[in-house]
Amino acid sequence: AQKITQTQPGMFVQEKEAVTLDCTYDTSDPSYGLFWYKQPSSGEMIFLIYQGSYDQQNATEGRYSLNFQKARKSANLVISASQLGDSAMYFCAMREAGSNYKLTFGKGTLLTVNP
Amino acid sequence: EAGVVQSPRYKIIEKKQPVAFWCNPISGHNTLYWYLQNLGQGPELLIRYENEEAVDDSQLPKDRFSAERLKGVDSTLKIQPAELGDSAVYLCASSLFKDTQYFGPGTRLTVL
Repeated sequence: AQKITQTQPGMFVQEKEAVTLDCTYDTSDPSYGLFWYKQPSSGEMIFLIYQGSYDQQNATEGRYSLNFQKARKSANLVISASQLGDSAMYFCAMREAGSNYKLTFGKGTLLTVNP
Repeated sequence: EAGVVQSPRYKIIEKKQPVAFWCNPISGHNTLYWYLQNLGQGPELLIRYENEEAVDDSQLPKDRFSAERLKGVDSTLKIQPAELGDSAVYLCASSLFKDTQYFGPGTRLTVL
């Protein structure tokens, strides 16, 4: 079974609108962390936001927030007030304590922000 | 603060040739990772170092791939001989122990 599933190969959003990128995960480890990375066409993976499995509140970092629903095993990324520079691939990743903290990535979602 | 540095950014070689990639992690980061990213996929871990020790190399194809991290700082990943299927992006990342991983710009390898 896939550990990280990103069901949206591509998403479009109008500039200044909000967009949600979906991520579901599969683990039986009680201790894990969820990450979102952005990969522009230049290739670098840019860390955006982190959510720990024991965190009580949803993580936020500027225009990025993580909608963490533990019972549903989902960790959706919400980008508010989209900008043209947000156009990129977005990867969800999970790190499990029991797997020696190996980072496992989903296949990514290509976000295009339209002017 | 400087990020993870990788070189070269692009490399084109013919099959059966050797190739090497270099990575300089963020200063002070003791953990270093090499990932392979195929087109349309997320990165997959090849090897993880804690200081000089390779603590997880289970995904490294050892018949043709090798890596080293002398003195626990810079690292080199080598492929010898390269095959057509090795065409991909090779990403290096570093972290302080098991904290958040920060990635370099990657090396895009094309094997002809």
